[in-house]
Amino acid sequence: DTEVTQTPKHLVMGMTNKKSLKCEQHMGHRAMYWYKQKAKKPPELMFVYSYEKLSINESVPSRFSPECPNSSLLNLHLHALQPEDSALYLCASSQDPENYGYTFGSGTRLTVV
Amino acid sequence: AQKVTQAQTEISVVEKEDVTLDCVYETRDTTYYLFWYKQPPSGELVFLIRRNSFDEQNEISGRYSWNFQKSTSSFNFTITASQVVDSAVYFCALRIMYNNNDMRFGAGTRLTVKP
Repeated sequence: DTEVTQTPKHLVMGMTNKKSLKCEQHMGHRAMYWYKQKAKKPPELMFVYSYEKLSINESVPSRFSPECPNSSLLNLHLHALQPEDSALYLCASSQDPENYGYTFGSGTRLTVV
Repeated sequence: AQKVTQAQTEISVVEKEDVTLDCVYETRDTTYYLFWYKQPPSGELVFLIRRNSFDEQNEISGRYSWNFQKSTSSFNFTITASQVVDSAVYFCALRIMYNNNDMRFGAGTRLTVKP
């Protein structure tokens, strides 16, 4: 299995909703990442988990809450989002924090209404 | 600080033409990795190549080739005999070695290959 799987692929949510994005990999990778990508822009790093511990938070608003229940799973909990949070949310993993290779999932396209 | 510049926002070519995507980077570090990723309309970022700062050898993989020149801080990507399936957004990225958290992407170049 050489994939990073993200669910759901599409999500529409209201500003008062609570939802979660899920990311899963079974490659034994020990570092996992959340990126946010707005239309026609490059991906921007949000969170990094290395060995299941949060190692960086790029000043992301608290309405985004990451969780890493185990080395294969990464969640992003969403609450009280704003329309400007609409974007493609990409998950990636790499073998360990020093490893160069990232494998990206196909993303969750989130629309906040 | 690290920065990646992809000056070409959009490129359009006709199938079978060769096309070169430019990437210029800035960093004060001497040890770093450079990457190219392809993002088709489906959204997934597909890894194409990684080079480290110690290895300036150019690389060829099928129709793809990469020209890494430290003297000009460039890491250009050439597609030979382009095909419609090459249509995508291509990102160049830079990461400092031993700092897994700091992957900087360029703005991307949207390549359209017309039949």
